[in-house]
Amino acid sequence: DGGITQSPKYLFRKEGQNVTLSCEQNLNHDAMYWYRQDPGQGLRLIYYSQIVNDFQKGDIAEGYSVSREKKESFPLTVTSAQKNPTAFYLCASSMWGGSTEAFFGQGTRLTVV
Amino acid sequence: AQTVTQSQPEMSVQEAETVTLSCTYDTSESDYYLFWYKQPPSRQMILVIRQEAYKQQNATENRFSVNFQKAAKSFSLKISDSQLGDAAMYFCAYRSADGAQKLVFGQGTRLTINP
Repeated sequence: DGGITQSPKYLFRKEGQNVTLSCEQNLNHDAMYWYRQDPGQGLRLIYYSQIVNDFQKGDIAEGYSVSREKKESFPLTVTSAQKNPTAFYLCASSMWGGSTEAFFGQGTRLTVV
Repeated sequence: AQTVTQSQPEMSVQEAETVTLSCTYDTSESDYYLFWYKQPPSRQMILVIRQEAYKQQNATENRFSVNFQKAAKSFSLKISDSQLGDAAMYFCAYRSADGAQKLVFGQGTRLTINP
């Protein structure tokens, strides 16, 4: 089945540690996105990528990093520089251009302990 | 930068009645796309309906329809014959048709259906 897979579903991190969230898609989509969801604030864009080896900062990129070495994969690293990382993280992908919608993974809940 | 605003944090409606969720956006672009997504308690985002800005006709998908007012930069969602399964968070989203094409979301509206 085609879709987007995020792993793990739940993740715990100690303060001061970096952690990487996985996002893989087999939809042959060009564009991929990472969002952070906090209560009452909707989805805020962290990073997005249009093509392999290229990505752009979104509205809240500070404390995060990404890579796009393969079309199928867009991992997000939450670094120790991110002061308030506890949140729900959503990955999405879409075709580039046209009105096609974005497809979403099931999310990763990150908790700092 | 494009912004999307949903001014209703929460809405409720009686089962079988009609409810309208509001969304406004700010952009200087002429060509773009608008979407409504639903997020049920499972937190899986599901597309409800989409609208191309160049189309004057309002999009409709079964019980879901939009009122797209381009000049007013307004994009409301109407849900007719509300069902218990419609209870969810609803997000309005904007995507440019050119350039970076980043996808921007509003803050969301929590919809409750009263039996």
